[in-house]
Amino acid sequence: QVQLQESGPGLVKPSETLSLTCTVSGASISNYYWSWSRQLPGKGLEWIGYISNSGRSNYNPSLKSRVTISVDTSKNQFSLKVSSVTAADTAVYYCAREHYDSRLGLDYWGQGTLVTVSS
Amino acid sequence: DIQMTQSPSSLSASVGDRVTITCRASQSISIYLNWYQQKPGKAPKLLIYAASSLQSGVPSRFSGSGSGTDFTLTITSLQPEDFAAYYCQQNYNTPWTFGQGTKVEIK
Repeated sequence: QVQLQESGPGLVKPSETLSLTCTVSGASISNYYWSWSRQLPGKGLEWIGYISNSGRSNYNPSLKSRVTISVDTSKNQFSLKVSSVTAADTAVYYCAREHYDSRLGLDYWGQGTLVTVSS
Repeated sequence: DIQMTQSPSSLSASVGDRVTITCRASQSISIYLNWYQQKPGKAPKLLIYAASSLQSGVPSRFSGSGSGTDFTLTITSLQPEDFAAYYCQQNYNTPWTFGQGTKVEIK
C-alpha cells in the first residue's frame, strides 16, 4: 500500500525558507514522478511542481524563482523548499505521486500539512 | 497557463439524485483531464483519470466523459459519503491547473 507523509515546521517567519519533506512507503521513489501542491485557506488547489525519476524538475512559473524540489533516493523521500515566504504562502501543502504518463493523474497524496507564515 | 472553469460552483442534491458537474478548458487538452474528490480536512482523492477511466477502488456510480475542451463528471444515485468538493485538473501542459471546485451539499 502506497503511503505519503509530509513533515516539517508548521510555522515559518516571513522572508525565511519553508522546508518540507515527504516520506514515501510502499513504492520506490526511483520509479515515479513526485510533486507538491498547496491549498490556500478556504481556496482551491495550486500545483507547485514535480521532480521526475531522472531528477528533472518542473515548476509552476508563479513560484519558479523561489521553489526547489529535490529527492533523496536513499531515504525514499523528496523535499520542497520555498524561499522568501510571505503571508500569501500560508497554506496546506500536499505531496503526491505522479507518473511519466501524465494522463494517469496524481494517484496518491499525503494527508497534507498546514504551514503558517507569521512573525 | 490553461484555465479550467467548473460549473456550478456549488449545488444541493438529495441522496439518490443524479449529479452532473462540468469542466471547461481554455484550450484543447485532448483527454488529459482528471477529477478529484476532497472532503473537509482531507487530501484530494483521484476518482477519474484520462477523462473517463475509473481509478481503482472508486465506485462505479462515478463516471467521466469528454475530450478537447468540455468534460463532465457524473454521479449516479448520490450517496451520503459523496457530499464533498470536486475538482477537475488538466495535465496536458505544465503548470498543471485545477478548476475552482464544485461543492456538493445536502439538500
